[in-house]
Amino acid sequence: DAKTTQPTSMDCAEGRAANLPCNHSTISGNEYVYWYRQIHSQGPQYIIHGLKNNETNEMASLIITEDRKSSTLILPHATLRDTAVYYCIVRDLYNFNKFYFGSGTKLNVKP
Amino acid sequence: GAVVSQHPSWVICKSGTSVKIECRSLDFQATTMFWYRQFPKQSLMLMATSNEGSKATYEQGVEKDKFLINHASLTLSTLTVTSAHPEDSSFYICSGRVAGDEQYFGPGTRLTVT
Repeated sequence: DAKTTQPTSMDCAEGRAANLPCNHSTISGNEYVYWYRQIHSQGPQYIIHGLKNNETNEMASLIITEDRKSSTLILPHATLRDTAVYYCIVRDLYNFNKFYFGSGTKLNVKP
Repeated sequence: GAVVSQHPSWVICKSGTSVKIECRSLDFQATTMFWYRQFPKQSLMLMATSNEGSKATYEQGVEKDKFLINHASLTLSTLTVTSAHPEDSSFYICSGRVAGDEQYFGPGTRLTVT
């Protein structure tokens, strides 16, 4: 079962930073936070993941709070092509086979 | 990055017939593959976990006799929807797990049962 809660939708102006929050208040010490996104009628695309430290890659940054109960995905300069549903998933390090998707956040990037 | 393909990308079949969907990992060996289904405007729902050379593990509520999964090699898993009905119409997505534990997803297969 999904262990995360996310806002249903968010708007962002093109060129501005998009900050997508995720609440995972029941996360345990063995669980990673993963972010995927799904553009309409396509398979999910991996974005980034982390355990406790902040992470950055070419797509995004992941900020995890010190108590690990929430995180924020940051797209530094959103484009129209970033319009998608963004899923935050917690994944057990030891039962790492399964992903349970929550409802996700629909990000609408507007010109 | 790791690439997963699915075939066909869309299929229309008549009620009562069976349809097979293929999932291939193109540039990596996937010891584990996963099958999801997604109804319109809903999230992905995990159906089953498929390990190469062994029987698939189905999530609660998923009929194993209706959704037959075969993972015959490290690069191929198949999902067969048997005796399809209109309520089986959905978007079916597979994924493969790589050594770093990330899952890489296929583009999905749109099944419409008439």
